[in-house]
Amino acid sequence: KQEVTQIPAALSVPEGENLVLNCSFTDSAIYNLQWFRQDPGKGLTSLLLIQSSQREQTSGRLNASLDKSSGRSTLYIAASQPGDSATYLCAVEAGGTSYGKLTFGQGTILTVHP
Amino acid sequence: EPEVTQTPSHQVTQMGQEVILRCVPISNHLYFYWYRQILGQKVEFLVSFYNNEISEKSEIFDDQFSVERPDGSNFTLKIRSTKLEDSAMYFCASMKGFSGANVLTFGAGSRLTVL
Repeated sequence: KQEVTQIPAALSVPEGENLVLNCSFTDSAIYNLQWFRQDPGKGLTSLLLIQSSQREQTSGRLNASLDKSSGRSTLYIAASQPGDSATYLCAVEAGGTSYGKLTFGQGTILTVHP
Repeated sequence: EPEVTQTPSHQVTQMGQEVILRCVPISNHLYFYWYRQILGQKVEFLVSFYNNEISEKSEIFDDQFSVERPDGSNFTLKIRSTKLEDSAMYFCASMKGFSGANVLTFGAGSRLTVL
Protein backbone atom coordinates (compact mmCIF):
# COMPACT_ATOMS: atom_id res chain seq x y z
CA LYS A 1 0.00 0.00 0.00
CA GLN A 2 1.38 3.38 -0.99
CA GLU A 3 2.37 5.67 1.87
CA VAL A 4 3.32 9.32 1.39
CA THR A 5 5.22 11.23 4.06
CA GLN A 6 6.05 14.93 4.16
CA ILE A 7 8.77 16.61 6.16
CA PRO A 8 8.71 18.96 7.96
CA ALA A 9 5.17 19.00 9.34
CA ALA A 10 5.44 22.76 9.84
CA LEU A 11 7.86 25.45 8.82
CA SER A 12 8.09 29.11 9.77
CA VAL A 13 10.46 31.37 7.85
CA PRO A 14 11.08 35.08 7.38
CA GLU A 15 10.06 36.68 4.13
CA GLY A 16 12.62 36.37 1.35
CA GLU A 17 14.05 33.05 2.45
CA ASN A 18 14.44 30.13 0.04
CA LEU A 19 12.97 26.91 1.36
CA VAL A 20 12.60 23.22 0.58
CA LEU A 21 9.68 20.94 1.35
CA ASN A 22 10.22 17.20 1.23
CA CYS A 23 7.99 14.35 0.19
CA SER A 24 8.72 10.63 0.18
CA PHE A 25 6.66 7.69 -1.07
CA THR A 26 7.05 3.98 -0.49
CA ASP A 27 6.05 2.52 -3.87
CA SER A 28 8.06 3.88 -6.80
CA ALA A 29 5.55 2.57 -9.37
CA ILE A 30 3.81 5.92 -9.74
CA TYR A 31 2.26 7.57 -12.77
CA ASN A 32 2.93 11.10 -11.61
CA LEU A 33 3.43 13.27 -8.54
CA GLN A 34 1.65 16.51 -7.80
CA TRP A 35 2.16 19.32 -5.36
CA PHE A 36 -0.94 21.13 -4.12
CA ARG A 37 -1.55 24.19 -2.04
CA GLN A 38 -4.39 24.26 0.50
CA ASP A 39 -5.54 27.48 2.08
CA PRO A 40 -7.72 27.36 5.23
CA GLY A 41 -11.32 26.57 4.32
CA LYS A 42 -10.48 26.34 0.66
CA GLY A 43 -9.98 23.57 -1.86
CA LEU A 44 -6.78 22.13 -3.22
CA THR A 45 -4.93 24.09 -5.89
CA SER A 46 -2.57 22.15 -8.12
CA LEU A 47 0.84 23.82 -8.24
CA LEU A 48 3.03 21.45 -10.20
CA LEU A 49 2.69 18.01 -11.74
CA ILE A 50 5.71 15.87 -12.55
CA GLN A 51 5.16 12.88 -14.78
CA SER A 52 7.04 9.71 -13.85
CA SER A 53 9.40 10.14 -16.81
CA GLN A 54 10.34 13.68 -15.79
CA ARG A 55 12.87 14.90 -13.27
CA GLU A 56 11.55 18.36 -12.49
CA GLN A 57 8.99 21.02 -13.24
CA THR A 58 9.14 24.78 -12.70
CA SER A 59 6.47 27.42 -12.34
CA GLY A 60 7.55 30.91 -11.38
CA ARG A 61 9.27 30.75 -8.00
CA LEU A 62 8.39 27.08 -7.57
CA ASN A 63 10.53 24.16 -8.63
CA ALA A 64 9.64 20.55 -7.98
CA SER A 65 11.97 17.63 -8.50
CA LEU A 66 11.28 13.92 -8.63
CA ASP A 67 13.58 10.99 -7.96
CA LYS A 68 11.30 8.08 -8.62
CA SER A 69 13.81 5.36 -7.88
CA SER A 70 14.47 6.65 -4.38
CA GLY A 71 10.84 7.62 -3.80
CA ARG A 72 11.49 11.30 -3.16
CA SER A 73 10.32 14.68 -4.32
CA THR A 74 11.18 18.18 -3.21
CA LEU A 75 9.36 21.46 -3.66
CA TYR A 76 11.68 24.45 -3.72
CA ILE A 77 10.18 27.87 -3.11
CA ALA A 78 12.42 30.80 -3.93
CA ALA A 79 12.23 34.21 -2.27
CA SER A 80 9.26 33.29 -0.08
CA GLN A 81 6.47 35.81 0.50
CA PRO A 82 3.77 36.08 3.18
CA GLY A 83 1.24 35.12 0.50
CA ASP A 84 2.94 31.73 0.24
CA SER A 85 1.65 30.87 3.70
CA ALA A 86 -0.53 27.77 3.30
CA THR A 87 -0.44 24.01 3.66
CA TYR A 88 1.48 22.26 0.89
CA LEU A 89 0.42 18.75 -0.01
CA CYS A 90 2.26 16.15 -2.03
CA ALA A 91 0.25 13.45 -3.80
CA VAL A 92 1.15 10.51 -6.02
CA GLU A 93 -1.01 8.94 -8.67
CA ALA A 94 -0.89 5.20 -9.08
CA GLY A 95 -1.78 5.01 -12.76
CA GLY A 96 -2.70 1.71 -14.30
CA THR A 97 -6.47 1.57 -14.02
CA SER A 98 -6.41 4.05 -11.12
CA TYR A 99 -6.17 7.33 -13.02
CA GLY A 100 -6.95 10.25 -10.80
CA LYS A 101 -6.64 8.20 -7.63
CA LEU A 102 -4.23 10.19 -5.52
CA THR A 103 -2.49 9.22 -2.31
CA PHE A 104 -1.73 12.31 -0.24
CA GLY A 105 0.85 13.16 2.36
CA GLN A 106 -0.19 14.87 5.55
CA GLY A 107 1.12 18.23 4.37
CA THR A 108 3.61 20.87 5.44
CA ILE A 109 2.15 23.97 7.07
CA LEU A 110 4.20 26.92 5.86
CA THR A 111 4.17 30.29 7.55
CA VAL A 112 6.11 33.15 5.97
CA HIS A 113 6.28 36.14 8.28
CA PRO A 114 7.06 39.67 7.13
CA GLU B 1 -10.96 30.03 -15.15
CA PRO B 2 -13.39 27.09 -14.97
CA GLU B 3 -13.97 25.75 -11.49
CA VAL B 4 -15.61 22.90 -9.64
CA THR B 5 -18.51 24.12 -7.52
CA GLN B 6 -19.66 22.36 -4.35
CA THR B 7 -22.76 22.88 -2.23
CA PRO B 8 -23.40 23.24 0.60
CA SER B 9 -20.22 24.74 1.95
CA HIS B 10 -21.15 23.54 5.43
CA GLN B 11 -23.83 21.15 6.62
CA VAL B 12 -24.68 20.14 10.15
CA THR B 13 -26.76 17.01 10.58
CA GLN B 14 -27.87 14.59 13.25
CA MET B 15 -26.43 11.11 13.41
CA GLY B 16 -28.51 8.70 11.36
CA GLN B 17 -29.74 11.31 8.91
CA GLU B 18 -29.19 11.14 5.16
CA VAL B 19 -26.96 13.75 3.57
CA ILE B 20 -26.46 14.65 -0.07
CA LEU B 21 -23.43 16.67 -1.09
CA ARG B 22 -23.55 18.25 -4.51
CA CYS B 23 -20.90 19.08 -7.03
CA VAL B 24 -20.89 20.71 -10.44
CA PRO B 25 -17.73 19.57 -12.24
CA ILE B 26 -16.12 21.49 -15.07
CA SER B 27 -18.37 21.12 -18.07
CA ASN B 28 -16.07 19.27 -20.48
CA HIS B 29 -14.56 16.97 -17.87
CA LEU B 30 -15.30 13.26 -18.02
CA TYR B 31 -13.86 11.86 -14.80
CA PHE B 32 -15.22 12.67 -11.36
CA TYR B 33 -13.99 12.00 -7.87
CA TRP B 34 -14.83 12.37 -4.21
CA TYR B 35 -12.15 12.75 -1.58
CA ARG B 36 -12.49 13.50 2.10
CA GLN B 37 -10.32 14.99 4.81
CA ILE B 38 -11.07 14.35 8.44
CA LEU B 39 -9.82 17.23 10.58
CA GLY B 40 -6.10 16.93 11.15
CA GLN B 41 -5.75 13.91 8.86
CA LYS B 42 -4.68 13.26 5.28
CA VAL B 43 -6.87 13.79 2.25
CA GLU B 44 -8.26 10.35 1.33
CA PHE B 45 -9.65 8.99 -1.92
CA LEU B 46 -13.25 7.79 -1.73
CA VAL B 47 -14.45 7.03 -5.24
CA SER B 48 -13.91 7.67 -8.93
CA PHE B 49 -16.68 7.80 -11.51
CA TYR B 50 -16.61 7.62 -15.28
CA ASN B 51 -19.15 6.88 -17.97
CA ASN B 52 -21.95 6.79 -15.43
CA GLU B 53 -20.45 4.15 -13.25
CA ILE B 54 -17.98 3.77 -10.42
CA SER B 55 -14.47 3.10 -11.67
CA GLU B 56 -12.87 2.49 -8.33
CA LYS B 57 -13.76 2.90 -4.67
CA SER B 58 -11.80 2.77 -1.47
CA GLU B 59 -12.52 0.60 1.54
CA ILE B 60 -14.01 3.68 3.20
CA PHE B 61 -16.73 3.81 0.53
CA ASP B 62 -19.05 1.21 2.02
CA ASP B 63 -22.76 0.58 1.47
CA GLN B 64 -23.64 3.79 3.31
CA PHE B 65 -22.16 5.81 0.48
CA SER B 66 -23.40 6.22 -3.06
CA VAL B 67 -22.65 8.52 -5.98
CA GLU B 68 -24.80 9.62 -8.84
CA ARG B 69 -24.70 11.84 -11.87
CA PRO B 70 -28.43 12.58 -12.10
CA ASP B 71 -28.13 14.95 -15.05
CA GLY B 72 -25.50 16.36 -17.35
CA SER B 73 -24.04 18.73 -14.82
CA ASN B 74 -24.35 17.49 -11.23
CA PHE B 75 -22.38 14.84 -9.40
CA THR B 76 -23.63 13.89 -5.95
CA LEU B 77 -22.37 12.00 -2.94
CA LYS B 78 -25.03 10.52 -0.68
CA ILE B 79 -24.40 9.25 2.81
CA ARG B 80 -27.40 7.15 3.76
CA SER B 81 -27.19 7.14 7.55
CA THR B 82 -24.52 9.44 8.87
CA LYS B 83 -22.20 8.49 11.71
CA LEU B 84 -20.11 10.74 13.93
CA GLU B 85 -16.98 9.57 12.11
CA ASP B 86 -18.36 10.86 8.80
CA SER B 87 -17.63 14.39 10.00
CA ALA B 88 -15.07 15.68 7.52
CA MET B 89 -14.42 18.01 4.62
CA TYR B 90 -15.58 16.38 1.41
CA PHE B 91 -13.89 17.43 -1.82
CA CYS B 92 -15.21 16.87 -5.30
CA ALA B 93 -12.74 16.83 -8.20
CA SER B 94 -12.93 16.43 -11.93
CA MET B 95 -10.50 15.67 -14.71
CA LYS B 96 -10.79 16.17 -18.43
CA GLY B 97 -9.14 12.97 -19.57
CA PHE B 98 -5.95 10.99 -19.58
CA SER B 99 -3.15 12.92 -21.18
CA GLY B 100 -0.14 11.87 -19.18
CA ALA B 101 -0.56 14.96 -17.08
CA ASN B 102 -3.75 14.12 -15.25
CA VAL B 103 -4.49 17.34 -13.41
CA LEU B 104 -7.45 17.12 -11.10
CA THR B 105 -9.38 20.30 -10.38
CA PHE B 106 -10.77 20.31 -6.86
CA GLY B 107 -13.74 22.16 -5.49
CA ALA B 108 -13.61 24.25 -2.31
CA GLY B 109 -15.14 21.43 -0.29
CA SER B 110 -18.26 20.75 1.75
CA ARG B 111 -17.74 20.57 5.49
CA LEU B 112 -20.00 17.97 7.08
CA THR B 113 -20.54 18.00 10.82
CA VAL B 114 -22.43 15.07 12.31
CA LEU B 115 -23.79 15.58 15.84
